[in-house]
Amino acid sequence: SQKIEQNSEALNIQEGKTATLTCNYTNYSPAYLQWYRQDPGRGPVFLLLIRENEKEKRKERLKVTFDTTLKQSLFHITASQPADSATYLCARMDSNYQLIWGAGTKLIIKP
Amino acid sequence: GAVVSQHPSWVICKSGTSVKIECRSLDFQATTMFWYRQFPKQSLMLMATSNEGSKATYEQGVEKDKFLINHASLTLSTLTVTSAHPEDSSFYICSASSVGLRDTDTQYFGPGTRLTVL
Repeated sequence: SQKIEQNSEALNIQEGKTATLTCNYTNYSPAYLQWYRQDPGRGPVFLLLIRENEKEKRKERLKVTFDTTLKQSLFHITASQPADSATYLCARMDSNYQLIWGAGTKLIIKP
Repeated sequence: GAVVSQHPSWVICKSGTSVKIECRSLDFQATTMFWYRQFPKQSLMLMATSNEGSKATYEQGVEKDKFLINHASLTLSTLTVTSAHPEDSSFYICSASSVGLRDTDTQYFGPGTRLTVL
């Protein structure tokens, strides 16, 4: 089956450091991947979309990479802040415009 | 831009009653809307996909007679949970996408509706 895999364990990072989250996919080659942030009791918020022909994309302190050889996308938050604490979801869209989600990684930024 | 709202943000109802949840795209026309449910500490589960003016497409295992979806206009979709039972208690989230947006492949999510059935 076509899977999106994220590390389901919480990631604890010291404030000011760079947080790196991983999204791996198997059995297919998505044309692009999307990253979302979800806070408890809230809907996901779109952050970045990276296409297979883009190696890297940036938005303020966020950076996403896409390695089609490794079948992996990395999501980086530089100069992390406690307000960055949330669950980060990786997703791809199938041909029916339906999102296929990873399980999400909970990021905790410690002051 | 690309704001999606949901109403109500939370609702408590008695078992056996019906509850309607509204999803609106505020600043764009949503050609497609999606309804998800999410249980605590779990991923979002797609319930159904709807296009304006046509019947919704339900995912396997989702009862279409229990979860009625109406996508009456390009800015409004409603989900009605009929004869709600405690096991229907969940977090319901809608999202919208549009061919008119810059990133046509992106879904924009509402803030979610917490349904509690007593």
